[in-house]
Amino acid sequence: QLQLQESGPGLVKSSETLSLTCTVSGGSISGSTHYWGWIRQPPGKGLEWIGSIRYTGSTFYNPSLKSRVTISVDTSRNQFSLKLNSVTAADTAVYYCARTKAAAGTIVDYWGQGTLVTVSS
Amino acid sequence: QSVLTQPPSVSGAPGQRVTISCSGSSSNIGAGYDVHWYQQLPGTAPKLLIYGNSNRPSGVPDRFSGSKTGTSASLAITGLQAGDEADYYCQSYDISLSGSMFGGGTKLTVL
Repeated sequence: QLQLQESGPGLVKSSETLSLTCTVSGGSISGSTHYWGWIRQPPGKGLEWIGSIRYTGSTFYNPSLKSRVTISVDTSRNQFSLKLNSVTAADTAVYYCARTKAAAGTIVDYWGQGTLVTVSS
Repeated sequence: QSVLTQPPSVSGAPGQRVTISCSGSSSNIGAGYDVHWYQQLPGTAPKLLIYGNSNRPSGVPDRFSGSKTGTSASLAITGLQAGDEADYYCQSYDISLSGSMFGGGTKLTVL
C-alpha cells in the first residue's frame, strides 16, 4: 500500500523559507506515470494546489504561487520536496504531499496525513 | 473566492438522499474538463471519492455518485449515514488559471 509522509519544521518565521519533504513508501517515484505534488489547506479553509513534479524533474506550479515555489525530486531516496520562500502569515496551513494522475494536480489518489506549518512574525 | 462554487452546507436525515453542487464556468467545467470529488472527514486528509465526473475508486460505496452537465457538476449521496458527515470538495482544471482548482467545500451534516 502506497504511503506518503511529510516532514519538516512546524514553525517558520515570516519572510523566511518553508521547506518540507515527502517520503514515499510502498511504491517507487521512479518510472511512475503519476505526478507528485503539494496541496495546502489554511486552518478552517479550503484546499489549494501548490504544484507537482514528475520523476523526470518536470515541474508544474500554481501560477499564483509560481514565483515563490520550488519543488524538487530525489529518486534515490524516493522523496520529493517543497520550498516556499518569502512566507507570510497567509502561508500558515496544513501542507499535504500527494500523488496525482495529472500534472496540474487533478485526481489526487493518495495523500499524506498532512503537516501544520505556522508562520510566525 | 474559488472559481468553483459550492454551497457552504447541506444536511439530511439518515437514510435520505442529498446532492452537493459544484458550479463552474466556460473556462473549467464548461470547457470539458473533468470534475473530481473528495471527502474530508474531520481531522483527516481528503480522500478521493469520485474521479472523471462519475467514476468511483475501488472501495467507495455505490451510495456515492457523480454527474456533470454543462458548466456544473453534482455529487449525490444516498442512504445517508452518520459516518458521511464530512467536508466535500469538487476539483477541476481551469484553462484561464492554467492549473487545477478546488471548490470552496461543502459541509455535510447528518441530522
